Amino acid sequence: QVQLVESGGGLVKPGGSLRLSCAASGFTFSDYYMSWIRQAPGKGLEWVSYISSSGSTIYYADSVKGRFTISRDNAKNSLYLQMNSLRAEDTAVYYCARVGGSMVANYFDYWGQGTLVTVSS
Amino acid sequence: QSALTQPASVSGSPGQSITISCTGTSSDVGSYNLVSWYQQHPGKAPKLMIYEVSKRPSGVSNRFSGSKSGNTASLTISGLQAEDEADYYCCSYAGSSTPYVFGTGTKVTVL
Repeated sequence: QVQLVESGGGLVKPGGSLRLSCAASGFTFSDYYMSWIRQAPGKGLEWVSYISSSGSTIYYADSVKGRFTISRDNAKNSLYLQMNSLRAEDTAVYYCARVGGSMVANYFDYWGQGTLVTVSS
Repeated sequence: QSALTQPASVSGSPGQSITISCTGTSSDVGSYNLVSWYQQHPGKAPKLMIYEVSKRPSGVSNRFSGSKSGNTASLTISGLQAEDEADYYCCSYAGSSTPYVFGTGTKVTVL
């Protein structure tokens, strides 16, 4: 069965950095686009970034552009999110999600359990 | 890209039908038949309920259905059950540069 397991969350000071990881299993990781989606405490879902199956196409939300970097290692079935220059407003649960869709990758069919990132002094 | 607009809350009695709206623009919902819906119970990860406007993933009850008209998509839950009490989010594809925009979320309460 498809499993996505995030790790790497924690408490970090404003301006600091953190690297999230997502370990995938139960499917051919290299065949799928992957994405990071976050949810601030008590708030709604916000798409953060996605990466194509080969890693050649990457997009970011304006709110994280220039500060976050998404990457993947298909040999290790892993997705990453390097987060730099963190701000209080980046505090959220970060979910790793598989992106589905035949012609256009357009929905998130499997999600991890999430990892909490707290940015506070 | 602004969030899609959903009602903050919708409620219904067991057995009733409810509909949640999701209003976007001609740049997202109106341009693509690529709207998805997610159910989220407290403290849990979201779960895909509907994709590409009206398709149901395997394992999702046929009490859940989706539709779209113009810039507004809708999720209907028929035969409302206690377990349907959750938050629901829509999401639309919005083009290659900022590909995904989520709705503001709707809390469904079963009375």
